[in-house]
Amino acid sequence: GAGVSQSPSNKVTEKGKDVELRCDPISGHTALYWYRQSLGQGLEFLIYFQGNSAPDKSGLPSDRFSAERTGGSVSTLTIQRTQQEDSAVYLCASSLVGPGGTDTQYFGPGTRLTVL
Amino acid sequence: AQKITQTQPGMFVQEKEAVTLDCTYDTSDPSYGLFWYKQPSSGEMIFLIYQGSYDQQNATEGRYSLNFQKARKSANLVISASQLGDSAMYFCAMSSQGSNTGKLIFGQGTTLQVKP
Repeated sequence: GAGVSQSPSNKVTEKGKDVELRCDPISGHTALYWYRQSLGQGLEFLIYFQGNSAPDKSGLPSDRFSAERTGGSVSTLTIQRTQQEDSAVYLCASSLVGPGGTDTQYFGPGTRLTVL
Repeated sequence: AQKITQTQPGMFVQEKEAVTLDCTYDTSDPSYGLFWYKQPSSGEMIFLIYQGSYDQQNATEGRYSLNFQKARKSANLVISASQLGDSAMYFCAMSSQGSNTGKLIFGQGTTLQVKP
């Protein structure tokens, strides 16, 4: 079946602009995660959704970052007033049920964000 | 706090030989999961293998096996009969199964190069 998809694959923006990154999880997966991968920081957790609610948003680095999930499916990560330090690859992952057990997260191809 | 340590930034292995990638972890949670992911140069994160903290047997998936030593808090990945396509970055990750979030904590990764 189809895997996790993300769009756009690449995004170049100017400092101060807002960007929206989209994630389509595997059909039927209730849990959705956003991570950020950058050279200096490695892979960092941003936010976790179970259905449409976000029980853990502890990894969002500032209030410029927000995310929502609708219909228990598609999720959008929004970064307002982008800064150069926001440049990174943003990865989305989904899993069948969420925390506990042997639940495995499957990742999308990522969105490479470059802030000029 | 949970932490994953991968002490080998880069590794070389001859084609058809076996290689071990090291991973140690630190957690106070009684129940946790350990994962290995492969990230080729194309960027996608590919799930390889999972080990639960209460699993009695070491996990195996084809040419991949996980050498789980709970008392030493290590979860090394063993790749047998290396192939050129195994050249990639490998990440060890951990989740806490007793919390309300399935977020993964990642190590810094090990770059594996397979020589012909």
